[in-house]
Amino acid sequence: GEDVEQSLFLSVREGDSSVINCTYTDSSSTYLYWYKQEPGAGLQLLTYIFSNMDMKQDQRLTVLLNKKDKHLSLRIADTQTGDSAIYFCAEQGAGNNRKLIWGLGTSLGVNP
Amino acid sequence: GAGVSQSPRYKVTKRGQDVALRCDPISGHVSLYWYRQALGQGPEFLTYFNYEAQQDKSGLPNDRFSAERPEGSISTLTIQRTEQRDSAMYRCASSTNTDALEQYFGPGTRLTVT
Repeated sequence: GEDVEQSLFLSVREGDSSVINCTYTDSSSTYLYWYKQEPGAGLQLLTYIFSNMDMKQDQRLTVLLNKKDKHLSLRIADTQTGDSAIYFCAEQGAGNNRKLIWGLGTSLGVNP
Repeated sequence: GAGVSQSPRYKVTKRGQDVALRCDPISGHVSLYWYRQALGQGPEFLTYFNYEAQQDKSGLPNDRFSAERPEGSISTLTIQRTEQRDSAMYRCASSTNTDALEQYFGPGTRLTVT
């Protein structure tokens, strides 16, 4: 069945780049998403990428997609303490399937 | 503009009671989704609607769970005869009807069944 996997924790120093990785199993995925969840807050859509693209950049965020390996990554440049949060990867299947399959989330800690 | 709102934000109920959780989506959003999120987990899909039609309810755990969206706007998720294992954060999201699911989430309802 469909599955999305992420490493659970990542710790970086302020100012460094963070790279959060995700693997998925559904080769028919159409869109892949990154969401951010801050403590006690809701889920915030950060960015998404269409499956026929291999890169998308949005200010400090860079998404890389390797469709052959079913690997997605989110790079945050110049990581700040305000970036500390849980980051979720999610995939959307093909056709009329309008539900998302989510990973467990990666908790990013930023050390000053 | 106003985002997705959910009420109540917190609900404590005794085992065996029924609860109703409300979601008010962003105005004009066609699609509405319900998720459940346990601590330390990602969101788990429950069901979704396009307008008032329930399109997929495959994620509802059992027949104690039901959802409706009678006028294509506000939705209610009802859990009958609650059990302790139902304790979780229940999240609602809404989106327009574009190909990409740009879902906007509400703050969630924290349900505790004692």
